[in-house]
Amino acid sequence: DQQVKQNSPSLSVQEGRISILNCDYTNSMFDYFLWYKKYPAEGPTFLISISSIKDKNEDGRFTVFLNKSAKHLSLHIVPSQPGDSAVYFCAAISGTYKYIFGTGTRLKVLA
Amino acid sequence: DTGVSQNPRHKITKRGQNVTFRCDPISEHNRLYWYRQTLGQGPEFLTYFQNEAQLEKSRLLSDRFSAERPKGSFSTLEIQRTEQGDSAMYLCASSSYRGRFQETQYFGPGTRLLVL
Repeated sequence: DQQVKQNSPSLSVQEGRISILNCDYTNSMFDYFLWYKKYPAEGPTFLISISSIKDKNEDGRFTVFLNKSAKHLSLHIVPSQPGDSAVYFCAAISGTYKYIFGTGTRLKVLA
Repeated sequence: DTGVSQNPRHKITKRGQNVTFRCDPISEHNRLYWYRQTLGQGPEFLTYFQNEAQLEKSRLLSDRFSAERPKGSFSTLEIQRTEQGDSAMYLCASSSYRGRFQETQYFGPGTRLLVL
């Protein structure tokens, strides 16, 4: 059972435009969510997180939105840059340590 | 602080052989995790250490897998009698618990295993 789902395997966006990556979850006990970026042959790199007591968190060009009633979160990247091209994973946690990852979305930012 | 390091980065072995991977976490982190990632999937949790104590093992970890973290520093993951299905990227992560909603796991570059 896939508790964290990223239904779009890939996304292409023009440089300078907004990238929106989506993530849905099924477990209502999840209360902390994170986004990681992964380049080929490297480990995931932490981007941004949000707790269930918030509905928005911003860090520079990256903003994560959480809609608890819909069990949905999204990552917005504005403006998108070619260096943002990578695979993006969302992860959720309901305890204190075990991350549950989605299957990832491959973002391609076109110059 | 050089981040989480893993060795080797790549390992090719024949079915039936034993392999061992090493992870060196960020020095002040007392929590260490192993994950496995296969093609088209996200990382899947394997096991968790707090200091030297192994506190949880996933059902994914068959009895051919064993992990240790002596003295609460580096960790090793050993796979005995490797099978082709063990081919994957093995990721190590570490963290330091700073309170709820403040813990972030930092990942190493991974060890890619190919079992022929």
